[in-house]
Amino acid sequence: DIQMTQSPSTLSASVGDRVTITCRASQSIGSWVAWYQQKPGKAPKVLIYDASILESGVPSRFSGSGSGTEFTLTISSLQPDDFATYYCQQYNTYSRGYTFGQGTKLEIK
Amino acid sequence: QVQLQESGPGLVKPSETLSLTCTVSGFSISRAYYWAWIRQPPGRGLEWIGSISFSGSPYYNPSLKSRVTISLDTSKNQFSLRLTSVAAADTAVYYCARDRRDRPSSDYWGQGTLVTVSS
Repeated sequence: DIQMTQSPSTLSASVGDRVTITCRASQSIGSWVAWYQQKPGKAPKVLIYDASILESGVPSRFSGSGSGTEFTLTISSLQPDDFATYYCQQYNTYSRGYTFGQGTKLEIK
Repeated sequence: QVQLQESGPGLVKPSETLSLTCTVSGFSISRAYYWAWIRQPPGRGLEWIGSISFSGSPYYNPSLKSRVTISLDTSKNQFSLRLTSVAAADTAVYYCARDRRDRPSSDYWGQGTLVTVSS
């Protein structure tokens, strides 16, 4: 199975900051990575798919990059609504299954 | 607008079978896409359980494969999850979601339902 290691597990930041979250895959997975935002008590919401494509309706301050084994989610200027938990998700074309990263809780500093 | 809604018992006894149904509105599940189950233990991260294609082909998480069955009921526009021999570790919020294989990700989700395994 392909493992996804997400870091950091917790991130403290202020409104207006630029933040980056990283996911590393245990083997090359092309660009098959999605990023989700989850708020307490709510279902996750997809932000990015195919590593770098912004989901329709998602603010442009969110961006994704990477391929192979290293992927990043960047929020260019944090807004109050962005404090949440973020997950990466990889798709394995061989097994046709998914694996999530462990999550990053983005907290207000 | 596509909407998904989970339903089923909120409490299941250890060693018994967990059964949940996801009712989809606004889109015919037999027309396209895959349909997924994902769970989240309290205070922890997300785990993909499995998905089923619109034509009925299932794919499961290897760690759960021996206990999981996902099926479609196209007449009711529903898909279902069965998880056998449950234990306390299966206590989680269970989500159903639409799985887009052309852009691997889930774009529509149910609100989630908490299933507790306890005697």
